[in-house]
Amino acid sequence: DTGVSQNPRHKITKRGQNVTFRCDPISEHNRLYWYRQTLGQGPEFLTYFQNEAQLEKSRLLSDRFSAERPKGSFSTLEIQRTEQGDSAMYLCASSLQGVWDEQFFGPGTRLTVL
Amino acid sequence: AQSVTQLGSHVSVSEGALVLLRCNYSSSVPPYLFWYVQYPNQGLQLLLKYTSAATLVKGINGFEAEFKKSETSFHLTKPSAHMSDAAEYFCAAVDSGNTPLVFGKGTRLSVIA
Repeated sequence: DTGVSQNPRHKITKRGQNVTFRCDPISEHNRLYWYRQTLGQGPEFLTYFQNEAQLEKSRLLSDRFSAERPKGSFSTLEIQRTEQGDSAMYLCASSLQGVWDEQFFGPGTRLTVL
Repeated sequence: AQSVTQLGSHVSVSEGALVLLRCNYSSSVPPYLFWYVQYPNQGLQLLLKYTSAATLVKGINGFEAEFKKSETSFHLTKPSAHMSDAAEYFCAAVDSGNTPLVFGKGTRLSVIA
């Protein structure tokens, strides 16, 4: 059983650097979601894809953030010119198409911006 | 817009005692509702979900939740807490249509021996 995987698990970077995270969803899932979770908060929605199409982006997703899902398989989330406020856990989830379908979460990538 | 409120950021119970974690949603139209659990350094795992089929929903690990439309609530319960239940619990909702999950802030459950 290969659930949702995320790489790297941890990333420490200096302010102003660019970082990229990868998410590999469960293979038959056509929806892929990105969330951000800060300490003491629940996950907050960033963006989601249905196959390769990016269908919705949160207002949290500033223009320094970009996400892609080429070929509708894995996805990448890039943050340009990182700021200390970007420090968080970035979670990826995948699901089948229905809104009631369970979202399966990966273990997350913890980003620390120094 | 949908919002989810979890009363109590931290709940502490004795082993064997009743667990009650509270969740209220905001929308006038009942959404789909979920409870997730997060163990340290792990991703979120679905405990149970409400999709309008039955108001009392049973999940994994002995948890259950009751949907009460009149109270806009979906509280999570377990009759007898076990040490392994210590974790962070999140309530989430999604409206019908293509909207993403909206999570509450979470409740950390501690179980005392």
